[in-house]
Amino acid sequence: SQQGEEDPQALSIQEGENATMNCSYKTSINNLQWYRQNSGRGLVHLILIRSNEREKHSGRLRVTLDTSKKSSSLLITASRAADTASYFCATQSNDYKLSFGAGTTVTVRA
Amino acid sequence: DGGITQSPKYLFRKEGQNVTLSCEQNLNHDAMYWYRQDPGQGLRLIYYSQIVNDFQKGDIAEGYSVSREKKESFPLTVTSAQKNPTAFYLCASSIDGETQYFGPGTRLLVL
Repeated sequence: SQQGEEDPQALSIQEGENATMNCSYKTSINNLQWYRQNSGRGLVHLILIRSNEREKHSGRLRVTLDTSKKSSSLLITASRAADTASYFCATQSNDYKLSFGAGTTVTVRA
Repeated sequence: DGGITQSPKYLFRKEGQNVTLSCEQNLNHDAMYWYRQDPGQGLRLIYYSQIVNDFQKGDIAEGYSVSREKKESFPLTVTSAQKNPTAFYLCASSIDGETQYFGPGTRLLVL
């Protein structure tokens, strides 16, 4: 079953701008992960945030997690054309399975 | 090079035919997974294996079968019982049961 839901479904921004996307989920989790998928390719792991963490950074990526609201956000700063991709959140509970949302498609315009 | 490979890149299935998708990894990961992705949707788990000679059904296992005879290999068979097999199939592996590393995918089309 798909637990995560990303918002918005699609996002178009100018190069250099920031991109923010959100993920909401329904049940308690151990961790939440963000993955990137370029068109027609496999997914690439970006960042993992645990349920006891509130914020995490990795390069130009910033992830927040609010377990009280069951939501997470992914911020990409100073976007580049190479950031054009679909971004998925995935939640993990106790059974080691990942539940993926439908993704946010990000287009970065030159 | 360490990584996870899937073959073929494109696969065509005729009515009533079983087809097998290959997934191989040389990352020495214990856990392996198969997902199905339909257009505009997220990934849905078909089967997963946490250790050799053991595997469990995921959320959409009907019409699919797997085997895990070797640590490096986790082939997926799409049987004739799967009435809507057209999709993008992704294999993944994990060393810690958390972060997953994905292969490049196989696109299955029905003739």
